[in-house]
Amino acid sequence: QVQLQESGPGLVKPSETLSLTCNVSGGSISSYYWSWIRQPPGKELEWIGYIYYSGSTTYNPSLKTRVTISIDTSKNQFSLNLTSLTAADTAVYYCARPDTTGWFSFESWGQGTLVTVSS
Amino acid sequence: DIQMTQSPSSLSASVGDRVTITCRASQSISTYLHWYQQHPGKAPKLLIYAASSLQSGVPSRFSGSGSGTEFTLTISSLQPEDFATYYCQQSYSTPYTFGQGTKLEI
Repeated sequence: QVQLQESGPGLVKPSETLSLTCNVSGGSISSYYWSWIRQPPGKELEWIGYIYYSGSTTYNPSLKTRVTISIDTSKNQFSLNLTSLTAADTAVYYCARPDTTGWFSFESWGQGTLVTVSS
Repeated sequence: DIQMTQSPSSLSASVGDRVTITCRASQSISTYLHWYQQHPGKAPKLLIYAASSLQSGVPSRFSGSGSGTEFTLTISSLQPEDFATYYCQQSYSTPYTFGQGTKLEI
């Protein structure tokens, strides 16, 4: 069973850029899709986007102008960059992997990392 | 975007009860509908995928049904560990979207 672990800063200032990394263990990242999902405190989940192992990406249009997802197969990890942060970006950020059967349910999740946007 | 609406938003029940949660999609999504359980401070856990398929390792008291725009998650006999928040998610088209959640309380 693949395991995912997020890492990155817990506190970021407004207008700055958030950079998070998801380390994948127990399997190769060089297959299928890898995704980021976030959850503001007390609110519902929001899909941010995904990256295919080849490097192709699809983003949520609500964040598309500010988000970049990249992949480093040599390190077995993928990353999220989110620019121009505001308080509305305060959330728990999860990395996740969809099922491999094509339904795109999220069967594997990291534990999540809380990111607070505040000066 | 496809909007997912869950009902009820919260539900009080007792151990041993049978409960049903509904999820409605703003347009037809076939059976591209999945259910998750989330305990406070934890990542969501996949319970049901493709509307009615039980994820490996999930107890058989959980079941899902539906297609098109209306779906249900049923827990046949509530156990203490089932008190959590439940979310539905559609993967028919991007952006993938989640329901607002149903909090199941004792």
